[in-house]
Amino acid sequence: GQSLEQPSEVTAVEGAIVQINCTYQTSGFYGLSWYQQHDGGAPTFLSYNALDGLEETGRFSSFLSRSDSYGYLLLQELQMKDSASYFCASRGSGTYKYIFGTGTRLKVLA
Amino acid sequence: DVKVTQSSRYLVKRTGEKVFLECVQDMDHENMFWYRQDPGLGLRLIYFSYDVKMKEKGDIPEGYSVSREKKERFSLILESASTNQTSMYLCASSSGGRGVGTDTQYFGPGTRLTVL
Repeated sequence: GQSLEQPSEVTAVEGAIVQINCTYQTSGFYGLSWYQQHDGGAPTFLSYNALDGLEETGRFSSFLSRSDSYGYLLLQELQMKDSASYFCASRGSGTYKYIFGTGTRLKVLA
Repeated sequence: DVKVTQSSRYLVKRTGEKVFLECVQDMDHENMFWYRQDPGLGLRLIYFSYDVKMKEKGDIPEGYSVSREKKERFSLILESASTNQTSMYLCASSSGGRGVGTDTQYFGPGTRLTVL
């Protein structure tokens, strides 16, 4: 089966750096994706790691370690608008089934 | 831009009613998904479809069925609604095949269903 675990909540101040972790168990693995969801909105795609290492997209970076079954999303220069829920997601190899993590609610304080 | 639309933003139904939630995507995507989202439980996969008339169960299919007669449309059916099906329902589509890793999901705005 597949499961992805995340901390339920993270709080940080504006301008800071925050890391949101994701540990996973999957039978086969096709990489780790990250999505952002603001209250009342739909999830939107942020980032994807197919291979080990760091992927950078502006203020957001995502990291994957397949040997540790672990990844994280790094948000730099936090802004108030980054207050949202963040989900990691993955798909097992040889399947179309796409599973989301439990989600992390990020609160950015002024 | 990919557009995924859902038939209703808010819906109120009574216990025992048959409920249809419809989802339409305009990007010719092969894959379509139905999730429900509840506080503290994240997004849980109900059913997905990788081709017309093809469907597979997700993690929580009990009490639900789906229909995909046309590529752009994927319907979720609650045969006999119950109060524990009160939730936010999200539809998504993606273009990836089995060999594609990223398989980015594009979501509709969601339907908040209340069953009384």
